[in-house]
Amino acid sequence: DGGITQSPKYLFRKEGQNVTLSCEQNLNHDAMYWYRQDPGQGLRLIYYSQIVNDFQKGDIAEGYSVSREKKESFPLTVTSAQKNPTAFYLCASTGPAKNIQYFGAGTRLSVL
Amino acid sequence: AQSVTQLGSHVSVSEGALVLLRCNYSSSVPPYLFWYVQYPNQGLQLLLKYTTGATLVKGINGFEAEFKKSETSFHLTKPSAHMSDAAEYFCAVSESGGSNYKLTFGKGTLLTVNP
Repeated sequence: DGGITQSPKYLFRKEGQNVTLSCEQNLNHDAMYWYRQDPGQGLRLIYYSQIVNDFQKGDIAEGYSVSREKKESFPLTVTSAQKNPTAFYLCASTGPAKNIQYFGAGTRLSVL
Repeated sequence: AQSVTQLGSHVSVSEGALVLLRCNYSSSVPPYLFWYVQYPNQGLQLLLKYTTGATLVKGINGFEAEFKKSETSFHLTKPSAHMSDAAEYFCAVSESGGSNYKLTFGKGTLLTVNP
């Protein structure tokens, strides 16, 4: 079955540590997105990529980094510069119907 | 710039009652509008969307929404709530016809269904 796979489901970060969240899709979609979800805040866009080897900052990119070396993969690194990383992170992708975003099941990141 | 306002962060209804979740948007160009549903600790699932054409759109699980340009609204309704409808619902807007595919989400409305 086609879909978006996020891993791990739960992740813990120590102080000063960088962690990387994985997002893989087998939908052959061009565009991919990372969102951060906090209770009562809705979804806020961190980074997005419309094609391989290209990506743009979203509304809250500080403290995060991404890469897009392959069409299928769009990993998100939460760096030590992100002082409040505890949140639910969602990856999404967009295919030919470009305004419909399909979501993964999310990764919940907590700080130890 | 686009924005979405969902009135009511928490809505509680009885099983079998009407569900009404409110969404107002602002957009400088004709919008595309969406409702997504999220069950606990899961991703978002598309319920329905409006792009062009008929302003009353039907989605999955018996939900529907009506685009009212004059009121800049896109409220979500379901005639009879079911226990399985308990979830968080997000309204979203994107610009039509451009190459920018970003969505702007509202803050969500948590729907509780009481037996």
